[in-house]
Amino acid sequence: GAVVSQHPSRVICKSGTSVKIECRSLDFQATTMFWYRQFPKQSLMLMATSNEGSKATYEQGVEKDKFLINHASLTLSTLTVTSAHPEDSSFYICSAYTGGYTFGSGTRLTVV
Amino acid sequence: RKEVEQDPGPFNVPEGATVAFNCTYSNSASQSFFWYRQDCRKEPKLLMSVYSSGNEDGRFTAQLNRASQYISLLIRDSKLSDSATYLCVVNRPHTGTASKLTFGTGTRLQVTL
Repeated sequence: GAVVSQHPSRVICKSGTSVKIECRSLDFQATTMFWYRQFPKQSLMLMATSNEGSKATYEQGVEKDKFLINHASLTLSTLTVTSAHPEDSSFYICSAYTGGYTFGSGTRLTVV
Repeated sequence: RKEVEQDPGPFNVPEGATVAFNCTYSNSASQSFFWYRQDCRKEPKLLMSVYSSGNEDGRFTAQLNRASQYISLLIRDSKLSDSATYLCVVNRPHTGTASKLTFGTGTRLQVTL
């Protein structure tokens, strides 16, 4: 079946630095990639939708200048958390639409 | 009102028990419904889609009531391995190919010996 490879699985960074999270679709082309964030004991919240070759669309309340999304090819989408702060610590997860939804394994970000 | 509401639980049941989870959704125009399973610190995995006529997959039965905007999941003969958080997921009406999903907060199930 379709596989989305997400890296890194865990990252700890210092406050003020930027972190890039990658999602690669293996053996298929992902035209659309969804990016979610999940805080402890809360639901997955959609942050943005990226489409290959065009600008991402962000959900209300998500700062597009802080969460930079790039979907330059059909097999790679990236999310960069810029100037990370402790409140950005969360579980970030991508999902590619392939007729169904295939999720990456998630990235646990801790900002110290 | 939340778009998708679930009882957070936890539901603590003995092995072999039958357990039911409920979910309500607010957008009457939603067309696709799913139950996902999420283990601690892992990605959600599709358990089953939910169809209007109701559907069954082994020990799992899902029901949809569009009039009441209510979805249910029944697990029979619970196994220890069923312990997880069960997420009710509903699509947002859309015009494009890939619709956005709205996740409930999940219902936690703990199956014990």
